[in-house]
Amino acid sequence: DIQMTQSPFSLSASVGARVTITCRASQNITSFLNWYQQKPGKAPKRLIYGASSLQSGVPSRFSGSGSGTDFTLTISSLQPEDFAAYYCQQSYKSPLTFGGGTKVEIK
Amino acid sequence: QVQLQESGPGLVKPSETLSLTCTVSGGSINTYSWNWIRQPPGKGLEWIGYIYHTGRTSYNPSLNSRVTMSVDTSKNQFSLQVTSVTAADTAVYYCARKCGSDSYSFDYWGQGTLVTVSS
Repeated sequence: DIQMTQSPFSLSASVGARVTITCRASQNITSFLNWYQQKPGKAPKRLIYGASSLQSGVPSRFSGSGSGTDFTLTISSLQPEDFAAYYCQQSYKSPLTFGGGTKVEIK
Repeated sequence: QVQLQESGPGLVKPSETLSLTCTVSGGSINTYSWNWIRQPPGKGLEWIGYIYHTGRTSYNPSLNSRVTMSVDTSKNQFSLQVTSVTAADTAVYYCARKCGSDSYSFDYWGQGTLVTVSS
């Protein structure tokens, strides 16, 4: 199985801060990397697909980059509604696997 | 707008079979793959498997021997069965659509249903 390792496990940041979350795959997954946002009690919501393509309707402060094994999700200016958990997911090879998640909290 | 809705018992006894159904509205089940994903309380996401309208399936080997998925195209529904459940199967179960493009990501999700395994 392809292991997806996210860091940090959690972070505390202020509104307006720039936030970066990293995701590392245990083998080359080219650009088959997706990011999801999950708020408490809700289903995950797709933010980014194909490593860098922004889901329609998602604010442009969210961006994704990377290829191969190393990927990042960046929030350029954190807003109150962005406090949530974020998961990366590889769709390169079955079984599809998720990272362990990063919880973004208010500082 | 595609919508997915999970249904089924919220409580299952140990060693019994967990059964859930996902009803798809606003789109046909005859395209894309239809997936089950679960999330134990306070933990991360685990992909269980997918099914196509043809009945073709792929399961996560971690659950492979205990999982069966089926599809009813006439009702636009697909289902999940997990046999011999234990407390470790307690989780929120989501159904989700995986698109055939867009990096094969999960673009639509159900709201999720909590299944508790307990006697």
